[in-house]
Amino acid sequence: NAGVTQTPKFRILKIGQSMTLQCTQDMNHNYMYWYRQDPGMGLKLIYYSVGAGITDKGEVPNGYNVSRSTTEDFPLRLELAAPSQTSVYFCASRLQGEGPAFFGQGTRLTVV
Amino acid sequence: AQRVTQPEKLLSVFKGAPVELKCNYSYSGSPELFWYVQYSRQRLQLLLRHISRESIKGFTADLNKGETSFHLKKPFAQEEDSAMYYCASGGYNKLIFGAGTRLAVHP
Repeated sequence: NAGVTQTPKFRILKIGQSMTLQCTQDMNHNYMYWYRQDPGMGLKLIYYSVGAGITDKGEVPNGYNVSRSTTEDFPLRLELAAPSQTSVYFCASRLQGEGPAFFGQGTRLTVV
Repeated sequence: AQRVTQPEKLLSVFKGAPVELKCNYSYSGSPELFWYVQYSRQRLQLLLRHISRESIKGFTADLNKGETSFHLKKPFAQEEDSAMYYCASGGYNKLIFGAGTRLAVHP
C-alpha cells in the first residue's frame, strides 16, 4: 500500500515555463488536496476535490489549475511559472467523513 | 471564513518541562479538528484528532467550543518531540491549516 505518491521530488523551472506536479493515491479516498508550504506560513490550500470530475478553489488558487479525471489522480498544473511559486507542494487525500488526511512526501519547486 | 490560528511560531522548552501549543479556530458549524506533526525531512502525519479523544506520544488536546480552542498539551516534553506542529480544521469539504508552531526541546 503506497499511500499518496507525488512526483517529482525536486524541480527547477525557468520563469514562464509550465509543468505538472503528479499526485496519485491508492486508498480509494474521494477527497484530495493540494497545498503549498512556504517558510513561516504553514500550509495554504491551493485546490481541492471531493471526487472525480469535481474540483474547487482553495485559499491561493491563482497561477494553478487542477483536474480530477479519476479517483486516484489529482495533478496540479503550473502554466506560466513565476518566482512567487517557489515553494514545497504537498498533495493529500482523505476519506469523506473519516477525518485524517494522508500526505505525500512533497515536491520542492524552485522557479528562477 | 474558516480559519485556524496558531499564535506562536516558536516554542522553546527544556526536556521535562510541560508544553502547550495553542490553536484557535473559526468555523460556524461543528468542526473536525486535528493536530499534525512534521519531523525534520519527513512528511506530515496525523498526531491526533478531537473525535477520538486519545493520547498519542503523551500528547492530548481538548476541544473547547466556548473558547473555540484546541490546544495541544504534554506534561513532560522529550527531545524527540522537537518538530513542527500544525493545527487543522476540516469543514465545508476543506482542510485548513494554521501557520504552525515549531517546538524545540532542549536537553
